[in-house]
Order: sequence, then C-alpha cells, then structure tokens
Amino acid sequence: AQSVSQHNHHVILSEAASLELGCNYSYGGTVNLFWYVQYPGQHLQLLLKYFSGDPLVKGIKGFEAEFIKSKFSFNLRKPSVQWSDTAEYFCAVTTEYNFNKFYFGSGTKLNVKP
Amino acid sequence: ETGVTQSPTHLIKTRGQQVTLRCSSQSGHNTVSWYQQALGQGPQFIFQYYREEENGRGNFPPRFSGLQFPNYSSELNVNALELDDSALYLCASSDRGEGYTFGSGTRLTVV
Repeated sequence: AQSVSQHNHHVILSEAASLELGCNYSYGGTVNLFWYVQYPGQHLQLLLKYFSGDPLVKGIKGFEAEFIKSKFSFNLRKPSVQWSDTAEYFCAVTTEYNFNKFYFGSGTKLNVKP
Repeated sequence: ETGVTQSPTHLIKTRGQQVTLRCSSQSGHNTVSWYQQALGQGPQFIFQYYREEENGRGNFPPRFSGLQFPNYSSELNVNALELDDSALYLCASSDRGEGYTFGSGTRLTVV
C-alpha cells in the first residue's frame, strides 16, 4: 500500500516567520501530488497541485511546493506566514493506477501566533 | 463554499445501528469517493463510484457499502456501527480529470 508521511505533526510559528512542511511518499511510479488545507470547522480546500512540468508549483495564498522526485518529497513552503494561516495541512498523493484515489498524510497542525 | 453537499452535518448513533450518509456531487462530476477521517488523522479512502458502479475500495469491511445514483449523487451506508466508526466522513467528487472537490463532511458519533 502507498503511504504518505508528514513528519511535523504540530508546528508553532510567529507571524512573518517562514514555513516549510515536509511530505514524503512511498510510490515509485507516476504520481500526482496535492496539498490541502483544513481551517477549523471547514472543508478541505486545495492549496496547490502538481501533475507534471515545472516541479516548483505555486498555489493560492502565497503557498508553493517543490516536487523532488529523487527524494520522493513534495514540501510545502511559505516565506511569511500570517495568523490566518492557522489550520491543518494535508499532503496527498494519487497514483497512475487510480488518479481519483487519494492517499493522505496524517496532517500537520499549524498554529501561527499573532 | 463547495459544490459538494453532504447531509446531515452531524449525527449521533448507537452501537449496532445502521446509518446512511448522503452526498450531492458537483455538477458535471461523474466520480464520487468517500473518505473516513478519524480524529487526529488524515482522510482514509473507503471506496469510489463511477457511473453507478464501485470502482475501487480501500481497507474497509463489507458493512461499509455505497450507492451512486443516475444524477451522480451518492450514499454511504454503514451497518452494525462500532465505536471506532466515529469520525468525519468526507465525500469528494471529480470529473476524472483535474477537478476534485471535497464536501464539508458528516461528523458521525457512535455511542
């Protein structure tokens, strides 16, 4: 079975600090990669996705992620976080066997102090 | 605001009972997937339906079953509820292309 690892379970930052959340996956074939955000009490929202092409992907709200195939990684970054970025972040992967079946990581809770 | 609507938003059931959760897919989306998100974990794939047929299943027992209707709305049924079934159940629809939309979920509590 495929697996997605998010090593940071809980991150606390002050506003304006830089953010990097790690994501590693186990599948060796073709993948699509996603980052979702879940604000308290709200539904999962897509931040960004990678299907092919430029491995540096820019998403909404100033987030970006870099796909490094050799490291099986898709880390999420933001140069300067805001209090409103407080949420839980999920990395997800789909594979060539079923591009509609998501494998999610366990999530990283980000707490940004004002 | 999401194009995927789930009902009910919250539900409390007793162990051993049966439950039906509903999902209305985003217009034009013919594929629906269901996920279980236990507290403190990421969503886990339950199964997927495409054009009214099951098209993939995760590691869930047969008491988890589903239906997809001609209008692409969907149901998740769980029989013989167990305490560990308490979770947020998410529905996601897609057009088998690049569009994936998640609903807000149904919070099921089994007591």
